[in-house]
This record gives sequence, C-alpha cells and structure tokens, in this order.
Amino acid sequence: RKEVEQDPGPFNVPEGATVAFNCTYSNSASQSFFWYRQDCRKEPKLLMSVYSSGNEDGRFTAQLNRASQYISLLIRDSKLSDSATYLCAVNRGAQKLVFGQGTRLTINP
Amino acid sequence: GAGVSQSPRYKVAKRGQDVALRCDPISGHVSLFWYQQALGQGPEFLTYFQNEAQLDKSGLPSDRFFAERPEGSVSTLKIQRTQQEDSAVYLCASTPSGGNTEAFFGQGTRLTVV
Repeated sequence: RKEVEQDPGPFNVPEGATVAFNCTYSNSASQSFFWYRQDCRKEPKLLMSVYSSGNEDGRFTAQLNRASQYISLLIRDSKLSDSATYLCAVNRGAQKLVFGQGTRLTINP
Repeated sequence: GAGVSQSPRYKVAKRGQDVALRCDPISGHVSLFWYQQALGQGPEFLTYFQNEAQLDKSGLPSDRFFAERPEGSVSTLKIQRTQQEDSAVYLCASTPSGGNTEAFFGQGTRLTVV
C-alpha cells in the first residue's frame, strides 16, 4: 500500500460544478499537508497548504481529518482553467514530501 | 534567475550511457530535493541536501544513481549505465529551509532511454 493514495480519476465535470477530491495517508506521524497543481508537462506548483482548522482560498477549500488520516480539496464554481492534475503531498517532518499519484481533473465547457 | 532552473530540459540517452542532470536552485535556498516522476504518477523522492550535505538518499533506486551538491548551491544528479526503466521526468525542488515550507520546483528534465 502506498503511503499517500489518491483516486487517479479522471474526473470530468461541467464548468460551474463543484468537485471534491480526497487523499489518504498512512503514516500518523505526518506533520504537514499540501495540495499541488500540475499542468500537463509542467512542474508541480503549490496550490495551498492544508491546516488542521481547514482553510479556504477563493473557490478552493482544503480540509484535514487527522483521525481518519485524509485531506480533501473542494473546488467550487469550477473554471475551464482548473483542468489539471492535483497532487496531494505529505511531509513527515523528515524534510521530504511524499506525493500521491495525482488526480486528473478536466472541466468541460 | 527567479526560479529553480534545470538543464537539459530533454535528454535522450542510449541504454548504457551515463547522464548528468543539473539543478540551479533559487538563490539562498538551503534545501534541495530531487524527485523522479514516471508517466501518470506523482513525484517520487530520490534524495535531499541541506547545503552541501546529503542528508537523505533513501529514495535513490540503485547504486547507478548519484547526486552531489559540492558548494551548497548547484546540484547534479548522475545516472550511470542508464536503463529503460530510468526514463522519467527528474524534478528538482528547493526550499528556503527544510520542513514545512513551500517547495519550489524546476520544470524538470525529461529523460528518455532508448
């Protein structure tokens, strides 16, 4: 079993829809959590950090559930430009990020 | 430059050839990471430097892989006797310090072994 798991998708949703992804992690010692966005043939870029209290940035909301060991990303009012692969990443305090496989999202007009 | 720079962007190597991939981190960034990303997968950790010290190389898949950062800035990932399974995108990332800070990635080197 991988340390960080995501549903690879693909998710195909219409523009304007709300879409949510989950990501589970197996190591309870994990300390910090992130969502990265990766466009095709590009490098990952930080979308948002995930805090214990949950956090929101515009149309994006991230939440952490330590008891069940998962993080989530919610995208409201999706735009065509949201089409990308979304990677969750976990830091165990060992100075390295462990990534999930990524969830591929396509927003359709 | 403003971001992490990697070169070459693309590399085609014949099986058995040695390759060297370069990473120029953001100036002043203490920590540098190498990741390997296969098609359709997330990045997989290879190795980590804090300044010139290689603190973690647990992700290097074999002894054919070697990384260095002799002066604590530019890093080189070397792969000896390349195999087809080494074909992947090799990503470099840097952070101002280690731990829970944002990692900035370079655009990667796409290695194809034929």
